[in-house]
This record gives sequence, structure tokens and C-alpha cells, in this order.
Amino acid sequence: NAGVTQTPKFQVLKTGQSMTLQCAQDMNHNSMYWYRQDPGMGLRLIYYSASEGTTDKGEVPNGYNVSRLNKREFSLRLESAAPSQTSVYFCASRGFRGRETQYFGPGTRLLVL
Amino acid sequence: QQQVKQSPQSLIVQKGGISIINCAYENTAFDYFPWYQQFPGKGPALLIAIRPDVSEKKEGRFTISFNKSAKQFSLHIMDSQPGDSATYFCAASKGGGSQGNLIFGKGTKLSVKP
Repeated sequence: NAGVTQTPKFQVLKTGQSMTLQCAQDMNHNSMYWYRQDPGMGLRLIYYSASEGTTDKGEVPNGYNVSRLNKREFSLRLESAAPSQTSVYFCASRGFRGRETQYFGPGTRLLVL
Repeated sequence: QQQVKQSPQSLIVQKGGISIINCAYENTAFDYFPWYQQFPGKGPALLIAIRPDVSEKKEGRFTISFNKSAKQFSLHIMDSQPGDSATYFCAASKGGGSQGNLIFGKGTKLSVKP
């Protein structure tokens, strides 16, 4: 039981390049999330998927797209990377431990030059 | 509009001392208040959570105090240890479904000095 996995762990991009961040969970959770974490800004929700086949915008969706490929996988795509997208990206899935517990992956550190 | 305000931004505590982190919220519809702990290079993990029908919840050295009328809640870490050094996030959510999405505070970096 690996929980939430993310690839890659670290990536350097040049401005204008594209890439896809991958996320997978093996806990049979319905809901999945993408956050970005920046110093002093906390965790900000980019997109989420309440269930397979649905996606919705979060607080900071501009410049990103997502795909809920199946129940396990939720990917985040940067079509044309910008330096402002330099951040640490976390994927999470939501299960039930008491209530509303989100389980986070280890993160992807992205540097856009 | 920041719906969950967290303070302080950073905190230094001596080993054995009490660490206190405070959060305030605006939306009275929030009905679930978790705290997440994040170690460097790792993803956040649920530490402890409370619902507004109780004023306090304790798990080991960690206690959440909740003041519904003041719309505030706080995390107390008793007998703080160097291993508690991490970033702590408070959060809030309301209802279920998409409304159950968590709104996070900006985080508090705790350093416990030996």
C-alpha cells in the first residue's frame, strides 16, 4: 500500500516548455487534489476531482490543466511554463479517517527558469 | 479573501516547553477543523482534528482548543521535542462533497531547540 505517489520528484523547465505531473493513489479514494505550496502562502488548491470523470477549478487554476485518467490517477499539466509556476506541487486524495482526511503525496519540486 | 488566518508565521520553543499556534476563521459554516504537520521534504499529514461540538480534543501531547463564539482554534504541543520541529497548517472545511475541500492557513514553522 504505497498511498499517494507522485512523479517526478524534481524537474527543471525552461520558460515556455510543457510538462505533466503524475499522481496515483491506491486507496480507492474518490476525490483527488492538486495543490501548490509557496513560502509564506500555505497550500493553495489548483484543481480537484470529486470523482472519476469530473474536475473543477480551485483557487489558482490559471496556467494549468488536469486530467482524471481513472479512479487512481490524476495528472496536472503545465502547457507553457512560466517562472511564476516555480513551486512545490502536492497531490492529495481524500478518504475517511474520522472525516475529510486528505492524504498527501511526497511532492514535486518544479523550477522554471 | 483569506478565510483561515494563522499565527505566528514562525515559532521557536525550548525543549520541554509549550508550543501554541493560533488560527481564526471567518465562515461560520465551517464544521471541521484539522491540523496538518509537514516535515521538510515531505507532504503534509493529518495530526489531529476537531468538530465545533466540542471545545477541546487531546491526542497525546497535542491538544486542539476550540472557541466557537470567537471563531478561533489553536494547537497546543505540550513538552515540545526537537522531533516536533516542522511546519504546521490549520485548515477548515464545511459539509461534504466539493464543499468538503479544505481551506488552509499559511502555516507556522516550529523549531524546538534542544
